[in-house]
Amino acid sequence: KQEVTQIPAALSVPEGENLVLNCSFTDSAIYNLQWFRQDPGKGLTSLLLIQSSQREQTSGRLNASLDKSSGRSTLYIAASQPGDSATYLCAVSKNSGYALNFGKGTSLLVTP
Amino acid sequence: DAGVIQSPRHEVTEMGQEVTLRCKPISGHDYLFWYRQTMMRGLELLIYFNNNVPIDDSGMPEDRFSAKMPNASFSTLKIQPSEPRDSAVYFCASSSRQPPVFGPGTRLTVL
Repeated sequence: KQEVTQIPAALSVPEGENLVLNCSFTDSAIYNLQWFRQDPGKGLTSLLLIQSSQREQTSGRLNASLDKSSGRSTLYIAASQPGDSATYLCAVSKNSGYALNFGKGTSLLVTP
Repeated sequence: DAGVIQSPRHEVTEMGQEVTLRCKPISGHDYLFWYRQTMMRGLELLIYFNNNVPIDDSGMPEDRFSAKMPNASFSTLKIQPSEPRDSAVYFCASSSRQPPVFGPGTRLTVL
C-alpha cells in the first residue's frame, strides 16, 4: 500500500525566506505527483503536477522536483509571503485515472 | 463552468441518523472521486467511479458507507447509520484524464 509522508508537519518562517517542503512515498511506481494548497476551511487548489517522466515543474515562485527512484519530492517556495500561509499537500497517483494518495500535509505560516 | 458542486456544505446530525451527501461533477468528466479528510488520518480516498461504474471501493471504511452514481452528472455518498467518528470533511472531485478538480467539501458533524 502506498504511504505518503510529509515533513515537517508544521513550519513557521519570516516573510522573505526561501523554504523547502518535503514529500516521500514508499512505492516508486507512480504515474504522477501533485502538490496542492489548502486554505483553512476551504477545498484544494492544484499548484504543480509532475509526470513520472519529469524531474521538475515551475510556476512563479514555486518549484517542485521529483526523484521517482528514491521516492522523494520537494516543493521550493522562493521569497515567501504572508499570503503563502496555508497547508501544502503532496499526492501521488498510480495510474491515469488520478486516484490520489495524499500525505497529511505541511502547515505553513509566514509571518510579516 | 461552475466547478464541482457539493451539497449540503454543512451537515449536523445525530448518531444513528442517515446522512446523504451529494455531488455534481464537471460536465464531461468521466472520473468521480469521494475523499474524506480528518485531522488524524488526513485525506483518504473512499471510492472512485469511471463512467458511472465503481472501480475501487477499498477505501470505504464500513458497510455503513455506500456510494452510487446513477448518471454522469450526479453521485451520492450515504452513511447509515451515522456515528460520531464519521465526523469529517467529505470532498468530491472529478476529472477526465487530467488532474482532478475538487469541490468545496461537505463538513459533517455527527453528535
